[in-house]
Amino acid sequence: ILNVEQSPQSLHVQEGDSTNFTCSFPSSNFYALHWYRWETAKSPEALFVMTLNGDEKKKGRISATLNTKEGYSYLYIKGSQPEDSATYLCAPSGSSGSARQLTFGSGTQLTVLP
Amino acid sequence: ETGVTQTPRHLVMGMTNKKSLKCEQHLGHNAMYWYKQSAKKPLELMFVYSLEERVENNSVPSRFSPECPNSSHLFLHLHTLQPEDSALYLCASSRQAGRGEKLFFGSGTQLSVL
Repeated sequence: ILNVEQSPQSLHVQEGDSTNFTCSFPSSNFYALHWYRWETAKSPEALFVMTLNGDEKKKGRISATLNTKEGYSYLYIKGSQPEDSATYLCAPSGSSGSARQLTFGSGTQLTVLP
Repeated sequence: ETGVTQTPRHLVMGMTNKKSLKCEQHLGHNAMYWYKQSAKKPLELMFVYSLEERVENNSVPSRFSPECPNSSHLFLHLHTLQPEDSALYLCASSRQAGRGEKLFFGSGTQLSVL
């Protein structure tokens, strides 16, 4: 099990604002980093899976970057909309042993106010 | 619709009851998972099955008993649970177990133990 930290814990932004969150994880024994989006009363849904240092992924207004050497990933949302309100979870996995399974962070709860 | 179906959505049980949670995936995946989400805690991995064999058991008490009769179905049998076992239980599947594979989650069973 890996030590995963996400910040901030919660965030309120106005519609149209851009925002970003951080996920920190151990840089040793790294294999992959996942981001999931979890809307209230729905299932968690995968946004991105990144494996290489310097990876950048984009899906519409949401993008993510990965730094495996220093052990962090950023998730960016450009021009937030109320439908972006959700909890965003990051989950790294390691390359061996029990760390091969994903370890989830506590999440960043985003509320976008209209 | 993520292709992973869980039943029941809600369950209330006494400490002496025996109940089962059911999960079914229609995605042709080879790995299935049980996760637990307790209040104010991150998602915790309970069990992983790969091709119907249990490959991970994260020190889960024996009052939780998983069963994977085939690669499409996963059960979690519950008996003599404690009130602290009240939580959201999520099932997930992936093409293969562990590492970089994206998880597809069901909607969860909200369990209350009285």
